[in-house]
Order: sequence, then C-alpha cells, then structure tokens
Amino acid sequence: DSGVTQTPKHLITATGQRVTLRCSPRSGDLSVYWYQQSLDQGLQFLIQYYNGEERAKGNILERFSAQQFPDLHSELNLSSLELGDSALYFCASSVRSSGNTIYFGEGSWLTVV
Amino acid sequence: AQSVTQPDIHITVSEGASLELRCNYSYGATPYLFWYVQSPGQGLQLLLKYFSGDTLVQGIKGFEAEFKRSQSSFNLRKPSVHWSDAAEYFCAVGSNRDDKIIFGKGTRLHILP
Repeated sequence: DSGVTQTPKHLITATGQRVTLRCSPRSGDLSVYWYQQSLDQGLQFLIQYYNGEERAKGNILERFSAQQFPDLHSELNLSSLELGDSALYFCASSVRSSGNTIYFGEGSWLTVV
Repeated sequence: AQSVTQPDIHITVSEGASLELRCNYSYGATPYLFWYVQSPGQGLQLLLKYFSGDTLVQGIKGFEAEFKRSQSSFNLRKPSVHWSDAAEYFCAVGSNRDDKIIFGKGTRLHILP
C-alpha cells in the first residue's frame, strides 16, 4: 500500500458524459501527479500540482482539467467523454515538486461506452 | 526533450534464469532514474532509483540496476527470476530541475515454468 488513495476504482459511463476522479496523496506529500495509461499510448503524464498550484503540464486534452484543493487532495475532471478516453488513470504523489520519488495509487479504471 | 526508450516490449525467460531489461534515456541534465513494476490490475511500485553516487543500485525483490552515463542507459537486472516476477516493468527519468517524470512504454516480462 503506497498511501495514495484513488476513487472510484472502476467507472463505466457513456460518451459525452463528464466524470470526476479523486486522489488523496500520501500524508505529508505536497505534489500530485496525474497519468493516463492505455494500451496504445502507454503511461502518459497529464498534469502535476504542487501545494495547490499547477507546476507542469503534459499531454492533457482541453476536455480534461484538474485541481488540487487546500487539503491537498486532487480531482481530475474528464468531460465530453469519448470512447478513446477509456483508460486507467493514475494519481501519484511526492513530497517536493521535483527531484524526488513519486508513489502511485492503484488507479481508476474508466470505461466509456 | 526528455525521453525514455525500452526497446523490448515483451521478454520471456525461464524461472531461475537471469534477467536484464534495457532502458535508454535522453535528457539534457543529470537525470534521476527509476524502475517501477506493475502487476496486473495494480498500481506502479517503485523497485529502485538512482539520484547520484554509486552507479550500481540495489532495489527490492532482488533487483539491481546500473547507471552508465556514457551509454545513457539504466538497465535492470536480476540473477534468478521467480514466477512472481511476471509483470510489466517501467523505466522513468526525472531530475531536480524538472517537475515531470517521464516513463518508457514498458516491458512485459513472462516467466516460463
């Protein structure tokens, strides 16, 4: 158990809908990362927050957004969902914003039908 | 730009045989290097990391990796694999100046009895 908690573990939704994935980082960690894992694209970095502020952005679509709240938990919002958004979404956390080890949650499986 | 290449998508070895998984990286600054393992349906677990110092690093589960700057490589090794090592292995690169950690596409390890 890494200490990073993600909910829900599984989610099935229809195209065009909107979902929110939630992440609680390890106790004491200030940085939260979101990754998308799919069969064809591998593990893709989406976005990183540090202490409530966006620090780095990767291949995140405009339909997706994220935020980190004052209690340090984070949410990833996915809207106008398409079949191709079906993937495993990971949250990870670390103490600092760079130069350290990141620890992963068990992921949220999203299936868009 | 940072990149990580894992040239082998699948590797099959017999139980008890030695293992080497290859990882090459491209990075302008001094890299921080990681190996993670992912069992089916699970999150990514850190096996080992290299930040500085001794270029041969030991990790959990009997794994080790060697950083070779001249070859831009960080190959993962294990002298004798066990059936429980069957999983997907990811190499990743980061640094103390960059907030992103970039992952390779992974190598799936199959173990023959």
